[in-house]
Amino acid sequence: GESVGLHLPTLSVQEGDNSIINCAYSNSASDYFIWYKQESGKGPQFIIDIRSNMDKRQGQRVTVLLNKTVKHLSLQIAATQPGDSAVYFCAETPRAGKSTFGDGTTLTVKP
Amino acid sequence: EAQVTQNPRYLITVTGKKLTVTCSQNMNHEYMSWYRQDPGLGLRQIYYSMNVEVTDKGDVPEGYKVSRKEKRNFPLILESPSPNQTSLYFCASSLGSMSPLHFGNGTRLTVT
Repeated sequence: GESVGLHLPTLSVQEGDNSIINCAYSNSASDYFIWYKQESGKGPQFIIDIRSNMDKRQGQRVTVLLNKTVKHLSLQIAATQPGDSAVYFCAETPRAGKSTFGDGTTLTVKP
Repeated sequence: EAQVTQNPRYLITVTGKKLTVTCSQNMNHEYMSWYRQDPGLGLRQIYYSMNVEVTDKGDVPEGYKVSRKEKRNFPLILESPSPNQTSLYFCASSLGSMSPLHFGNGTRLTVT
C-alpha cells in the first residue's frame, strides 16, 4: 500500500536540508486546504493553499501535496533556513465558512 | 498597510465582568472569523461571519457573542466570562471563506 507520512508534533532539521511536514485531515467533503506558519507572539500567516481538484502546488521554496484517497496533506520546504523555524498548521474548509485546523508541528532549524 | 487589528493585546479580568474584544480589518474583506488557541487543542473556531449582518457558530461558540454591523468590524463579546475562557484569541478575515485568512496578532485573555 501507499506510505503516508505521519504527523509529528516536532521536527528538527539542519539548515539547508529539506523539511516535510505532514497533516491528516478529517472531512472528505473538504475542498480547500491551507498551510499557515505561526511565529512566537504572532498570528498565523498564510504560506500556500490548494484546492481539491489539484494534487500538487508549488510556491517559492514550498510545495503542498494533497492525497485525497488517504486524506493527507504535506508541506515541503526546500533548503530550510533558520527563519523557517515556527509552528506550522494545516487547515481544511469542510463547508463554506467553517475552518478546521490540524495539530501544529513545531519546526526547529539547526544552524 | 493591510492588516487585522485586535484590541486589547492583553486583558486580565474577573469572572462575570462583561468584556468586548474588538477586531477591525482594512482590506474590505467580506469574511471574518474568531478563533481561540489553547495548548494541546490548537486553533478552534468560535464564530464566523460571511458578510454584514450574517453570523454563524463555529465549533466552540458557547459563552461568546459576536456582531457584524459593519463590514470592517467584528467584535467578540463575553457577557459573563469564566476561567475556562482564559485563552489566546485570534480574529481573522479573508475575501471569502475559500480564501487565505489574514490574522490579527492575538488577544491574550486571563479570567480569574
